[in-house]
Amino acid sequence: DTGVSQDPRHKITKRGQNVTFRCDPISEHNRLYWYRQTLGQGPEFLTYFQNEAQLEKSRLLSDRFSAERPKGSFSTLEIQRTEQGDSAMYLCASTSGGQGAGEQYFGPGTRLTVT
Amino acid sequence: AQSVTQPDIHITVSEGASLELRCNYSYGATPYLFWYVQSPGQGLQLLLKYFSGDTLVQGIKGFEAEFKRSQSSFNLRKPSVHWSDAAEYFCAVGSNTGTASKLTFGTGTRLQVTL
Repeated sequence: DTGVSQDPRHKITKRGQNVTFRCDPISEHNRLYWYRQTLGQGPEFLTYFQNEAQLEKSRLLSDRFSAERPKGSFSTLEIQRTEQGDSAMYLCASTSGGQGAGEQYFGPGTRLTVT
Repeated sequence: AQSVTQPDIHITVSEGASLELRCNYSYGATPYLFWYVQSPGQGLQLLLKYFSGDTLVQGIKGFEAEFKRSQSSFNLRKPSVHWSDAAEYFCAVGSNTGTASKLTFGTGTRLQVTL
């Protein structure tokens, strides 16, 4: 069990550029989550997948954000036309099961800095 | 809507002293409750969880937490703190039913340990 991995760990980009992050969940986990964490705050939910289906999206997820999990394994989170307010740590988590919140295991996160 | 309040932003304790971190939640039914720990620049590690049954739950690293329905609380405790426990601690609440499975986090409590 290698845990949840995320790539890249750090990303610095200029305002207006597009960025894409990848998350590889624990292999047997069918549910995958994206959260965003800003300085001094707890993680905030962005979206979640059960297998390849995106079942819930937060209103925080503006139309500049899109997430995919095409084969029910890894997931990508893309931010188009980045803004300085997008600077944050983007966390991915995974769990198994189908009912309610399970034990979510988090990756190390991708820290995005928009200059 | 579910919510979590961690009233203490920052706590300092001496190594070897006991610790209690407070967490109050708002949720319409019996929730799933979690405590996570985050070291600087890292993802979140699950310390313990409450799903049902015994209201006193044991976790890793010598931590325990007690679910008190009447007080809507889930406080984290440790009898003797070690310097390595210095970190940010997050309480989280999640649904126990259906496909709604996001976690809602508090704003965290930063623990400083003095030698």
